[in-house]
Amino acid sequence: EVQLVESGGGLVQPGGSLRLSCVASGFTFSNSEMSWVRQAPGKGLDWISYISSSGNTIYYADSVKGRFAIFRDNARNSLYLQLNTLRAEDTAVYFCAGSNTRSEFPYWGQGTVVTVSS
Amino acid sequence: EIVMTQSPATLSVSPGERATLSCRASQSASSYLAWYQQKPGQAPRLLIYGASTRATGVPARFSGSGSGTEFTLTISSLQSEDFAIYYCQQYDNWPPTWTFGQGTKVEIK
Repeated sequence: EVQLVESGGGLVQPGGSLRLSCVASGFTFSNSEMSWVRQAPGKGLDWISYISSSGNTIYYADSVKGRFAIFRDNARNSLYLQLNTLRAEDTAVYFCAGSNTRSEFPYWGQGTVVTVSS
Repeated sequence: EIVMTQSPATLSVSPGERATLSCRASQSASSYLAWYQQKPGQAPRLLIYGASTRATGVPARFSGSGSGTEFTLTISSLQSEDFAIYYCQQYDNWPPTWTFGQGTKVEIK
């Protein structure tokens, strides 16, 4: 069974930092392309970052470029998202999502909640 | 940047009826068009990819069609478990971006 389990969310003040983690099982993580997708309260889905299976290719949405960093450890079947200089508008559920292709996401975690507030 | 627009925002349907959801791209999209179902408090579930291919385990009552700028998700006979929010998602390979529509809520009439 494919599983993605996120952790690391929480309450943080504006300007603060968090690191999110996503541990994968049930599929060959090292062959999978991974992304982070977020969903603000009551809103739709918003892709924010992608990393290739090797980790050599990375993309970010403009909304997080320069503030967030995606990386992975294939030996630990783990994906990470470092969130810096957080803003109130970064408040959301953060999902990790994966695929063996680049174009869609068949694998999803249950999400971890990030709340940015003073 | 491609913008994906879904209509209607809310669709009221009786169980057993047919539901037709639309997704329009602001410019011609590739065939990299996917549909997802999301229920409250859950992660999205991939239903359709490549505009018309059902994902593993998805019932045959779900079908996708379209190309270019116009795409459709059809649920042939709504079951109680199908009441949810549906999102379309497009992948553009340059610059690489993954764009979701704003969603269509399918509710019980």
